[in-house]
Amino acid sequence: SQTIHQWPATLVQPVGSPLSLECTVEGTSNPNLYWYRQAAGRGLQLLFYSVGIGQISSEVPQNLSASRPQDRQFILSSKKLLLSDSGFYLCAWAAGGETQYFGPGTRLLVL
Amino acid sequence: SQELEQSPQSLIVQEGKNLTINCTSSKTLYGLYWYKQKYGEGLIFLMMLQKGGEEKSHEKITAKLDEKKQQSSLHITASQPSHAGIYLCGADSQGAQKLVFGQGTRLTINP
Repeated sequence: SQTIHQWPATLVQPVGSPLSLECTVEGTSNPNLYWYRQAAGRGLQLLFYSVGIGQISSEVPQNLSASRPQDRQFILSSKKLLLSDSGFYLCAWAAGGETQYFGPGTRLLVL
Repeated sequence: SQELEQSPQSLIVQEGKNLTINCTSSKTLYGLYWYKQKYGEGLIFLMMLQKGGEEKSHEKITAKLDEKKQQSSLHITASQPSHAGIYLCGADSQGAQKLVFGQGTRLTINP
């Protein structure tokens, strides 16, 4: 069966510091991968998605970037965090255009 | 761009009562997903509806899709404390393998 992991679970970072969140999927090959952000009191916002290694599509211009160095690894990064980057970050995978399955999430607090 | 509006935004019901959550789309629905989220956790997939008039059930939760009204409803029968959480609807945006989500409905079950 397929499993999706995210780490860290919680992160507290100062403004201006770098960020690296990791997402890995097990039990499937060539999945579509997604990064979402859920801000307090708001719905999920799609940030990036990838249909293959090195293929990244950005949905919202912002302070973040994404990379997919391996088939089942998706990384969310920032060079300098802003206060507005605080939120709950969720990674998801899907087999082609099928149902998206979500990871446990990373809660990021920027102070 | 497609937008989803959920109603109500929050709902408090007594254990054992029935309830309905609605999700209305601003554009044609190509696929409608329902997820449940416990606070601070990832999304759990409940069910997906694709055809107008389609109805699916998962334990005591039933979802329907009204294609003409561009709306889906989620109905819980004889609610239990385990049903508490945030329910989110997501729609496949123009068949592009990307989901847009409603803002969520927070459900509280009182004993």
